[in-house]
Amino acid sequence: GQQLNQSPQSMFIQEGEDVSMNCTSSSIFNTWLWYKQDPGEGPVLLIALYKAGELTSNGRLTAQFGITRKDSFLNISASIPSDVGIYFCAGQLMRRDDKIIFGKGTRLHILP
Amino acid sequence: GAVVSQHPSRVICKSGTSVKIECRSLDFQATTMFWYRQFPKQSLMLMATSNEGSKATYEQGVEKDKFLINHASLTLSTLTVTSAHPEDSSFYICSASPLGGAGNQPQHFGDGTRLSIL
Repeated sequence: GQQLNQSPQSMFIQEGEDVSMNCTSSSIFNTWLWYKQDPGEGPVLLIALYKAGELTSNGRLTAQFGITRKDSFLNISASIPSDVGIYFCAGQLMRRDDKIIFGKGTRLHILP
Repeated sequence: GAVVSQHPSRVICKSGTSVKIECRSLDFQATTMFWYRQFPKQSLMLMATSNEGSKATYEQGVEKDKFLINHASLTLSTLTVTSAHPEDSSFYICSASPLGGAGNQPQHFGDGTRLSIL
């Protein structure tokens, strides 16, 4: 089945640093999604990407849909303590109501 | 914005009990809802796709007789974990997509149900 390879698995950074994480797949996806999950809660959508090459920002977050449709990255600029959490990339093969396939997540830690 | 509500948020029960979890779309209709399972420090794994008015589609390896899904209306899907055992303890999360999925209408997730079987 389809798999998403997300890296890095975890990151330890200083407050104010920029963060970058990415996701690759052996399959082509029509939609790439980035979610954040806080402990004990469901994932919250950060950015949705629908076109190959698309670059989209949401505040300090920027994500891009790779030209090959097999990869995506998420950047967080000037990290703050509330950025701590788990970030998941996810993809949908076809329609918006298709099942979502998740990457394994990137756990972001911010050092005091 | 669109909201998906799950109930209960936490369940603790004895082994052998059947547990029902509800997933409701509060301000939109959804013909399709999804059920995920998440073990500690792991990703979300899709269990099944719930289709309004028809049988659910289960992912490989998920026992349909163990995890009963009913999607009786356009705003409600239920997951029943039958005769639950400790290994069924997990975080169960549902998601739903607004009917038709037109435009930029990605899926919305509930806040999850933490199931603990003693």
